[in-house]
Amino acid sequence: ETGVTQSPTHLIKTRGQQVTLRCSSQSGHNTVSWYQQALGQGPQFIFQYYREEENGRGNFPPRFSGLQFPNYSSELNVNALELDDSALYLCASSVGTGGPGRELFFGEGSRLTVL
Amino acid sequence: GQQLNQSPQSMFIQEGEDVSMNCTSSSIFNTWLWYKQDPGEGPVLLIALYKAGELTSNGRLTAQFGITRKDSFLNISASIPSDVGIYFCAGQRGNSGNTPLVFGKGTRLSVIA
Repeated sequence: ETGVTQSPTHLIKTRGQQVTLRCSSQSGHNTVSWYQQALGQGPQFIFQYYREEENGRGNFPPRFSGLQFPNYSSELNVNALELDDSALYLCASSVGTGGPGRELFFGEGSRLTVL
Repeated sequence: GQQLNQSPQSMFIQEGEDVSMNCTSSSIFNTWLWYKQDPGEGPVLLIALYKAGELTSNGRLTAQFGITRKDSFLNISASIPSDVGIYFCAGQRGNSGNTPLVFGKGTRLSVIA
């Protein structure tokens, strides 16, 4: 148990639809990162939020967007879903952004299937 | 996106055996981390390495940060059934905390009792 909770755990969408995934960070953690993990692959960094602002972004198109709320929880939104968006989406929380190798605490993920 | 080269992809070992896996990159990382992921779970941090040449242990696990900063290895001694899972290496390039992690594709470990 990392204290990071994600919802929903599983969902199925069709191409072109939009999806919102949610994450509650561990108590006291003010930074949330989102990662996409395709089947058989390692997680790929999508973006990070700190103090309600996007604070770093990986190589993902603009249809991947996010929000962070004052309570540090976060949402990942994906518009115009494509088949290749099918993956496990992982949320990780941490304290601050300073310093290397700060420990990330991952949630169990939301498994998205796009048909 | 870029991923680290992790090997082997999978391994089957007998309970009690030692395990070794490694991770290489064509570029330098300032931090190396090793995670374990069980089915239906998110990755859990096992060991973090912050200095080139550093050797760190966590119980039966030992990991080293390569001198060149382009590689790392993880050893597990005297494997037990609960060691089953997927092990990921991850590197972090910068010294600022918002530098994202770059992950390998994982090593799937199976332990035969």
